[in-house]
Amino acid sequence: EPEVTQTPSHQVTQMGQEVILRCVPISNHLYFYWYRQILGQKVEFLVSFYNNEISEKSEIFDDQFSVERPDGSNFTLKIRSTKLEDSAMYFCASSLVGEQYFGPGTRLTVT
Amino acid sequence: AQSVTQLGSHVSVSEGALVLLRCNYSSSVPPYLFWYVQYPNQGLQLLLKYTSAATLVKGINGFEAEFKKSETSFHLTKPSAHMSDAAEYFCAVIVNAGGTSYGKLTFGQGTILTVHP
Repeated sequence: EPEVTQTPSHQVTQMGQEVILRCVPISNHLYFYWYRQILGQKVEFLVSFYNNEISEKSEIFDDQFSVERPDGSNFTLKIRSTKLEDSAMYFCASSLVGEQYFGPGTRLTVT
Repeated sequence: AQSVTQLGSHVSVSEGALVLLRCNYSSSVPPYLFWYVQYPNQGLQLLLKYTSAATLVKGINGFEAEFKKSETSFHLTKPSAHMSDAAEYFCAVIVNAGGTSYGKLTFGQGTILTVHP
């Protein structure tokens, strides 16, 4: 069964450093998403991506964040200068229509 | 703006007992509703979805949910709990003014289900 994959599973970085989180969505899906879950809090929407452009973004998704689909398979989330409050589990999701399928997540720890 | 409220951050049941996890939503347009499950250290797995067809929706692992517009609810049930059902459950909604079923998911705060032997 096709699945969404994410790498790395855990990333530790120092404050101010750039990180890139990688996702491989399900191959025939058209819509791509990033969500995050800070420990003990609810899952929050960050951004959606369709037809090679951002279709919607939340207030969290400020200028420090960017997304890219550099080729036909990968979907990346870049945080330019990480802050302590960026520590969270980041989930990638993809959909064809309707239900979204989630990857296992990347746990980002900013020290 | 749409929102989702899950009543009860923790629910505890005995093995074999009924599972009932509550979810209420607010939306000014017909919503698309979902239940996801998250096992420890894993991602979110889709349990079931409501997309304006049948109001009683059956999902995986014996779970089902009923959409009740009058009560703005989408509660998740399972007749007989199993130890393997222990996980965190999230109700989520897509509200899209265009009536399409894609778009951002808004999640409830989650309900941790514990199953006793």
